[in-house]
Amino acid sequence: GDSVTQMEGPVTLSEEAFLTINCTYTATGYPSLFWYVQYPGEGLQLLLKATKADDKGSNKGFEATYRKETTSFHLEKGSVQVSDSAVYFCALSVDLGGKLIFGQGTELSVKP
Amino acid sequence: DTGVSQDPRHKITKRGQNVTFRCDPISEHNRLYWYRQTLGQGPEFLTYFQNEAQLEKSRLLSDRFSAERPKGSFSTLEIQRTEQGDSAMYLCASSTRGETQYFGPGTRLLVL
Repeated sequence: GDSVTQMEGPVTLSEEAFLTINCTYTATGYPSLFWYVQYPGEGLQLLLKATKADDKGSNKGFEATYRKETTSFHLEKGSVQVSDSAVYFCALSVDLGGKLIFGQGTELSVKP
Repeated sequence: DTGVSQDPRHKITKRGQNVTFRCDPISEHNRLYWYRQTLGQGPEFLTYFQNEAQLEKSRLLSDRFSAERPKGSFSTLEIQRTEQGDSAMYLCASSTRGETQYFGPGTRLLVL
């Protein structure tokens, strides 16, 4: 069945470090891909998305490129801040607007 | 801000009791989703509605669970004869067809 696998956390970085969180997927057809973020004490928020191969989603300095050949959607940021500390979830939807299938989440902690 | 709201935010109940949660979606959204999230895991899809029609139910949704959206606006999720394994965060999301899902803050359920 359809699934999403993320790198395990927690990930601890110093401020201004480069961030990569790996995400790979298995899906029938051509899914849409998403990164959601959950800040401490808050609900899930959409960070970025890509709906077709080679699309790049970007927001708040974060980027991810939909790679069909490697079935990946890795999240990157060039210089993290303490305020980026949160749990990041990769997700897919086979039908845009249909159910989301999430990875297990990766906790990021950024130290000053 | 008229985002997705959920009530209650927290619920503690004893095993065997029934509980009901409410979700109010963003007003113009015709799709409404329920997910369950356990500690350290990503959200898992339970069910979703388009207007008042329940279009898909997960195998996770046992016969003790029932969801309704009687007038195509708010939705309720009822769990009968709660078990300790039902302890989780129950998330609601809404969208217009084919668009991004926006999540509510969740209802945290603890079954003693």
